[in-house]
Amino acid sequence: AQSVAQPEDQVNVAEGNPLTVKCTYSVSGNPYLFWYVQYPNRGLQFLLKYITGDNLVKGSYGFEAEFNKSQTSFHLKKPSALVSDSALYFCAVRTGGAAGNKLTFGGGTRVLVKP
Amino acid sequence: GAVVSQHPSRVICKSGTSVKIECRSLDFQATTMFWYRQFPKKSLMLMATSNEGSKATYEQGVEKDKFLINHASLTLSTLTVTSAHPEDSSFYICSANQPDRNMGEQYFGPGTRLTVT
Repeated sequence: AQSVAQPEDQVNVAEGNPLTVKCTYSVSGNPYLFWYVQYPNRGLQFLLKYITGDNLVKGSYGFEAEFNKSQTSFHLKKPSALVSDSALYFCAVRTGGAAGNKLTFGGGTRVLVKP
Repeated sequence: GAVVSQHPSRVICKSGTSVKIECRSLDFQATTMFWYRQFPKKSLMLMATSNEGSKATYEQGVEKDKFLINHASLTLSTLTVTSAHPEDSSFYICSANQPDRNMGEQYFGPGTRLTVT
């Protein structure tokens, strides 16, 4: 079975400081990893994904994530956070195959960027 | 591209009534659609996977007679909450994908807030 863990319920950061949102995964095959962001009362917006290739993936709104196979991690990062980055962030994984296209989500991490 | 809409965005209904939520892929054909439920400050819980022209596959613990899913066309899936009760109040989100494109990336709708009084 595949699973995703986001160890932090909330991350607080001052505007302009680096932002990191942690994610670790557990899968039996090669992982397809995703980050989504959710603003209040909205659906999920895609940020970035890792399928194969370079371990550093660049996505929307200045976000990037690094795939680390040995640590089974896929942490989301942004060099300089904005107040508008305050939202709920979800890491997700799928493996395809027998699991099909189902995504397994982490519990979510609320990011609060203070001015 | 890859826009998914949901209707209605918000609905309030009385206990015992049924509510239908629509999920549409606006600019692509979605062979597979997913329905999620999200509780306040919680993660998304996959309820079911629907494939066009076939019966939906429900996740363990989800009552299929309670949550009726119909994927009648490649651009429309509906979720009907039958005989709704206050505990069904939640945020329901659908997503759609094309398995052969973008490694099956899912595109999410904006969600529907259901309140059962």
